[in-house]
Amino acid sequence: SQELEQSPQSLIVQEGKNLTINCTSSKTLYGLYWYKQKYGEGLIFLMMLQKGGEEKSHEKITAKLDEKKQQSSLHITASQPSHAGIYLCGAPDGATNKLIFGTGTLLAVQP
Amino acid sequence: NAGVTQTPKFRVLKTGQSMTLLCAQDMNHEYMYWYRQDPGMGLRLIHYSVGEGTTAKGEVPDGYNVSRLKKQNFLLGLESAAPSQTSVYFCASSYRGRMGEQFFGPGTRLTVL
Repeated sequence: SQELEQSPQSLIVQEGKNLTINCTSSKTLYGLYWYKQKYGEGLIFLMMLQKGGEEKSHEKITAKLDEKKQQSSLHITASQPSHAGIYLCGAPDGATNKLIFGTGTLLAVQP
Repeated sequence: NAGVTQTPKFRVLKTGQSMTLLCAQDMNHEYMYWYRQDPGMGLRLIHYSVGEGTTAKGEVPDGYNVSRLKKQNFLLGLESAAPSQTSVYFCASSYRGRMGEQFFGPGTRLTVL
């Protein structure tokens, strides 16, 4: 079955610093979705990437999809305390067509 | 719009007890899902529904049953709770054809003693 591995598992950065989170798939990616989860809450959809080379931005968060590498990266510029939370990537499983999720990256931003 | 709501928010059960978790959405979504989230395991799909009156098994369906009698509601039942079912349960919904863009509820934290 397809698996999504995220790195790093956790990250602590100083406010204002840039950071990158990676999501690597064990199989071909047919789209990639990024979600954010605040502690004790449900997931919030951030953005969707469907084509190789596609890049999308939402406020200070940019995500890219590299189909050849079966990987997506999420980059946060000038991090703020409001960016803190768990970031999860999701992708359709090629075999079941159901959405599978990575185990998440916990981000803490120190003021 | 309330989005996706879940009741209850917290629950403690004893082994062998039963309970039902209720999920409701007001976005007229066709698809609904139940996940569980455990440390180190990520989100795993329990059951899902592609429309009123239909349900299907996900990755970890054993020990759970579901029903979708109305389009806006998706119920998750535990007939005989076990400590292994201690978890945080999330309900989600999406439009048909937009499975990757799911809207999640706030979660139910369940402890089985």
